[in-house]
Amino acid sequence: QSVLTQPPSASGTPGQRVTISCSGSSSNIGGNYVYWYQQLPGTAPKLLIYRNNQRPSGVPDRFSGSKSGTAASLAIRGFRSEDEADYYCAVWDDSLSGYVFGSGTKVTV
Amino acid sequence: QVQLVESGGGVVQPGRSLRLSCAASGFIFSNSGMHWVRQAPGKGLEWVALISYDGTNIYYAKSVKDRFTISRDDSKNTLYLQMNSLRSEDTAVYYCGKREWELPSYWGQGTQVTVSS
Repeated sequence: QSVLTQPPSASGTPGQRVTISCSGSSSNIGGNYVYWYQQLPGTAPKLLIYRNNQRPSGVPDRFSGSKSGTAASLAIRGFRSEDEADYYCAVWDDSLSGYVFGSGTKVTV
Repeated sequence: QVQLVESGGGVVQPGRSLRLSCAASGFIFSNSGMHWVRQAPGKGLEWVALISYDGTNIYYAKSVKDRFTISRDDSKNTLYLQMNSLRSEDTAVYYCGKREWELPSYWGQGTQVTVSS
Protein backbone atom coordinates (compact mmCIF):
# COMPACT_ATOMS: atom_id res chain seq x y z
CA GLN A 1 0.00 0.00 0.00
CA SER A 2 1.02 3.61 -0.59
CA VAL A 3 2.77 5.79 2.00
CA LEU A 4 0.14 8.41 1.15
CA THR A 5 -3.36 7.65 2.37
CA GLN A 6 -6.42 8.77 0.43
CA PRO A 7 -10.03 7.73 0.96
CA PRO A 8 -10.96 5.20 -1.75
CA SER A 9 -14.14 7.02 -2.67
CA ALA A 10 -16.06 10.24 -2.29
CA SER A 11 -19.31 11.51 -3.71
CA GLY A 12 -20.79 14.87 -4.42
CA THR A 13 -24.00 16.53 -5.48
CA PRO A 14 -23.84 19.02 -8.36
CA GLY A 15 -23.01 22.45 -6.98
CA GLN A 16 -21.69 21.03 -3.74
CA ARG A 17 -18.15 21.31 -2.35
CA VAL A 18 -16.17 18.07 -2.37
CA THR A 19 -12.94 17.61 -0.43
CA ILE A 20 -10.36 14.84 -0.84
CA SER A 21 -7.68 14.26 1.78
CA CYS A 22 -4.13 12.95 1.42
CA SER A 23 -2.29 11.96 4.57
CA GLY A 24 1.44 11.38 4.72
CA SER A 25 4.41 11.91 7.01
CA SER A 26 7.31 14.21 7.73
CA SER A 27 9.41 12.50 5.07
CA ASN A 28 6.99 13.34 2.29
CA ILE A 29 4.14 15.83 2.65
CA GLY A 30 5.69 17.41 5.74
CA GLY A 31 8.69 18.70 3.83
CA ASN A 32 7.90 18.67 0.13
CA TYR A 33 5.47 20.02 -2.46
CA VAL A 34 2.20 18.20 -3.06
CA TYR A 35 0.70 17.65 -6.50
CA TRP A 36 -2.83 16.62 -7.48
CA TYR A 37 -3.89 14.83 -10.66
CA GLN A 38 -7.27 14.06 -12.18
CA GLN A 39 -7.71 10.94 -14.30
CA LEU A 40 -10.85 10.43 -16.36
CA PRO A 41 -11.64 6.85 -17.39
CA GLY A 42 -9.34 5.55 -20.13
CA THR A 43 -7.25 8.70 -20.31
CA ALA A 44 -3.86 9.92 -19.11
CA PRO A 45 -3.71 11.88 -15.85
CA LYS A 46 -4.10 15.65 -15.93
CA LEU A 47 -2.25 18.01 -13.60
CA LEU A 48 -4.68 19.96 -11.42
CA ILE A 49 -2.51 21.42 -8.65
CA TYR A 50 1.25 21.84 -8.31
CA ARG A 51 3.36 22.97 -5.37
CA ASN A 52 0.55 22.53 -2.83
CA ASN A 53 -1.86 25.18 -4.09
CA GLN A 54 -0.89 26.42 -7.55
CA ARG A 55 -3.14 25.89 -10.56
CA PRO A 56 -1.66 25.43 -14.05
CA SER A 57 -3.16 27.66 -16.69
CA GLY A 58 -6.43 26.25 -17.96
CA VAL A 59 -7.46 24.56 -14.72
CA PRO A 60 -10.68 26.11 -13.41
CA ASP A 61 -10.47 27.98 -10.12
CA ARG A 62 -13.13 25.58 -8.78
CA PHE A 63 -10.17 23.36 -7.95
CA SER A 64 -7.96 24.35 -5.05
CA GLY A 65 -5.26 22.68 -2.99
CA SER A 66 -3.97 23.18 0.52
CA LYS A 67 -1.43 21.65 2.86
CA SER A 68 -1.04 21.64 6.62
CA GLY A 69 1.70 19.70 8.36
CA THR A 70 1.71 16.14 7.02
CA ALA A 71 -1.67 16.33 5.29
CA ALA A 72 -2.95 17.87 2.11
CA SER A 73 -6.36 18.28 0.55
CA LEU A 74 -7.99 19.00 -2.76
CA ALA A 75 -11.27 20.89 -2.84
CA ILE A 76 -13.72 21.01 -5.72
CA ARG A 77 -16.09 23.94 -5.42
CA GLY A 78 -19.35 23.76 -7.35
CA PHE A 79 -19.03 20.05 -8.20
CA ARG A 80 -20.06 19.09 -11.74
CA SER A 81 -20.84 15.74 -13.32
CA GLU A 82 -17.76 16.09 -15.55
CA ASP A 83 -15.62 16.13 -12.38
CA GLU A 84 -16.40 12.43 -11.89
CA ALA A 85 -12.92 10.92 -12.04
CA ASP A 86 -10.08 9.41 -10.04
CA TYR A 87 -7.93 11.88 -8.13
CA TYR A 88 -4.37 11.26 -6.98
CA CYS A 89 -2.01 13.17 -4.72
CA ALA A 90 1.74 12.85 -5.27
CA VAL A 91 4.89 14.04 -3.52
CA TRP A 92 8.63 13.40 -3.18
CA ASP A 93 9.56 11.10 -0.29
CA ASP A 94 12.93 11.79 1.33
CA SER A 95 13.17 8.32 2.88
CA LEU A 96 12.50 6.55 -0.41
CA SER A 97 14.44 9.06 -2.55
CA GLY A 98 11.62 8.88 -5.03
CA TYR A 99 8.16 10.14 -5.80
CA VAL A 100 5.05 8.48 -4.45
CA PHE A 101 1.41 8.64 -5.48
CA GLY A 102 -1.55 8.24 -3.19
CA SER A 103 -3.79 5.25 -3.73
CA GLY A 104 -6.37 7.43 -5.44
CA THR A 105 -9.91 8.58 -4.68
CA LYS A 106 -12.79 7.81 -7.00
CA VAL A 107 -15.23 10.70 -6.99
CA THR A 108 -18.77 10.08 -8.19
CA VAL A 109 -21.98 12.01 -8.41
CA GLN B 1 2.06 22.23 -28.48
CA VAL B 2 3.68 19.64 -26.25
CA GLN B 3 3.34 16.13 -27.58
CA LEU B 4 4.61 12.90 -26.06
CA VAL B 5 4.17 9.60 -27.89
CA GLU B 6 5.11 6.34 -26.20
CA SER B 7 5.86 3.16 -28.13
CA GLY B 8 7.51 -0.22 -27.69
CA GLY B 9 4.94 -1.91 -25.50
CA GLY B 10 3.69 -5.42 -26.11
CA VAL B 11 3.43 -8.92 -24.69
CA VAL B 12 6.63 -10.38 -23.26
CA GLN B 13 7.47 -13.49 -21.26
CA PRO B 14 8.62 -13.25 -17.64
CA GLY B 15 12.36 -12.75 -17.37
CA ARG B 16 12.67 -11.15 -20.81
CA SER B 17 13.43 -7.55 -21.73
CA LEU B 18 11.62 -4.70 -23.45
CA ARG B 19 12.57 -1.13 -24.33
CA LEU B 20 10.01 1.64 -24.32
CA SER B 21 10.45 4.91 -26.19
CA CYS B 22 8.83 8.31 -25.76
CA ALA B 23 9.10 10.71 -28.69
CA ALA B 24 8.83 14.34 -27.62
CA SER B 25 7.93 17.42 -29.62
CA GLY B 26 6.63 20.95 -29.10
CA PHE B 27 9.19 21.93 -26.47
CA ILE B 28 12.95 22.04 -25.94
CA PHE B 29 13.51 18.44 -24.90
CA SER B 30 17.10 18.98 -23.77
CA ASN B 31 15.88 21.51 -21.19
CA SER B 32 13.37 19.17 -19.56
CA GLY B 33 13.55 16.45 -16.98
CA MET B 34 11.37 13.46 -17.83
CA HIS B 35 9.43 10.88 -15.84
CA TRP B 36 8.05 7.39 -16.40
CA VAL B 37 4.88 6.50 -14.48
CA ARG B 38 2.90 3.27 -14.78
CA GLN B 39 -0.58 2.03 -13.98
CA ALA B 40 -1.39 -1.64 -13.50
CA PRO B 41 -4.84 -2.82 -14.67
CA GLY B 42 -7.52 -1.43 -12.37
CA LYS B 43 -4.90 0.05 -10.03
CA GLY B 44 -3.52 3.48 -9.20
CA LEU B 45 -0.58 5.40 -10.54
CA GLU B 46 2.95 4.32 -9.63
CA TRP B 47 5.97 6.53 -10.24
CA VAL B 48 8.78 4.57 -11.94
CA ALA B 49 11.76 6.79 -12.77
CA LEU B 50 13.04 10.32 -13.35
CA ILE B 51 15.94 11.61 -15.42
CA SER B 52 17.11 15.21 -15.15
CA TYR B 53 17.36 17.52 -18.14
CA ASP B 54 21.06 16.78 -18.54
CA GLY B 55 20.95 13.11 -17.56
CA THR B 56 23.16 13.58 -14.51
CA ASN B 57 20.47 12.88 -11.92
CA ILE B 58 18.47 9.68 -12.14
CA TYR B 59 16.05 8.20 -9.62
CA TYR B 60 14.10 4.94 -9.56
CA ALA B 61 11.26 3.45 -7.60
CA LYS B 62 12.41 0.67 -5.32
CA SER B 63 10.24 -1.82 -7.24
CA VAL B 64 12.23 -1.36 -10.47
CA LYS B 65 15.69 -0.37 -9.28
CA ASP B 66 18.46 -2.57 -10.71
CA ARG B 67 16.08 -3.93 -13.39
CA PHE B 68 14.98 -0.80 -15.30
CA THR B 69 17.17 1.90 -16.83
CA ILE B 70 15.94 5.33 -17.87
CA SER B 71 17.92 7.22 -20.50
CA ARG B 72 17.55 9.96 -23.08
CA ASP B 73 18.84 10.87 -26.53
CA ASP B 74 18.54 14.63 -26.95
CA SER B 75 19.60 14.40 -30.60
CA LYS B 76 16.44 12.36 -31.24
CA ASN B 77 14.20 14.11 -28.67
CA THR B 78 13.50 10.68 -27.25
CA LEU B 79 13.23 9.22 -23.77
CA TYR B 80 13.76 5.51 -23.13
CA LEU B 81 13.00 2.93 -20.49
CA GLN B 82 14.98 -0.30 -20.74
CA MET B 83 13.14 -2.97 -18.76
CA ASN B 84 14.99 -6.18 -17.91
CA SER B 85 14.04 -9.25 -15.89
CA LEU B 86 10.38 -8.46 -16.35
CA ARG B 87 7.84 -9.85 -13.90
CA SER B 88 4.09 -10.28 -14.05
CA GLU B 89 3.72 -7.37 -11.63
CA ASP B 90 5.33 -5.07 -14.22
CA THR B 91 2.19 -5.45 -16.37
CA ALA B 92 0.83 -1.93 -16.75
CA VAL B 93 0.25 1.03 -18.99
CA TYR B 94 3.48 3.04 -19.04
CA TYR B 95 3.27 6.83 -19.39
CA CYS B 96 6.08 9.26 -20.01
CA GLY B 97 5.72 12.74 -18.59
CA LYS B 98 7.45 16.09 -19.05
CA ARG B 99 8.78 17.37 -15.76
CA GLU B 100 7.53 20.81 -14.82
CA TRP B 101 8.45 22.16 -11.40
CA GLU B 102 8.86 18.67 -9.89
CA LEU B 103 6.32 16.22 -11.32
CA PRO B 104 4.82 15.75 -14.81
CA SER B 105 2.71 18.49 -16.31
CA TYR B 106 2.21 16.86 -19.73
CA TRP B 107 1.68 13.15 -20.29
CA GLY B 108 1.71 10.83 -23.26
CA GLN B 109 -1.19 8.51 -24.06
CA GLY B 110 0.64 5.49 -22.64
CA THR B 111 1.83 2.15 -23.98
CA GLN B 112 0.64 -1.23 -22.68
CA VAL B 113 3.17 -3.74 -21.37
CA THR B 114 1.92 -7.24 -20.59
CA VAL B 115 4.24 -9.75 -18.96
CA SER B 116 2.83 -13.22 -19.39
CA SER B 117 3.94 -16.69 -20.36
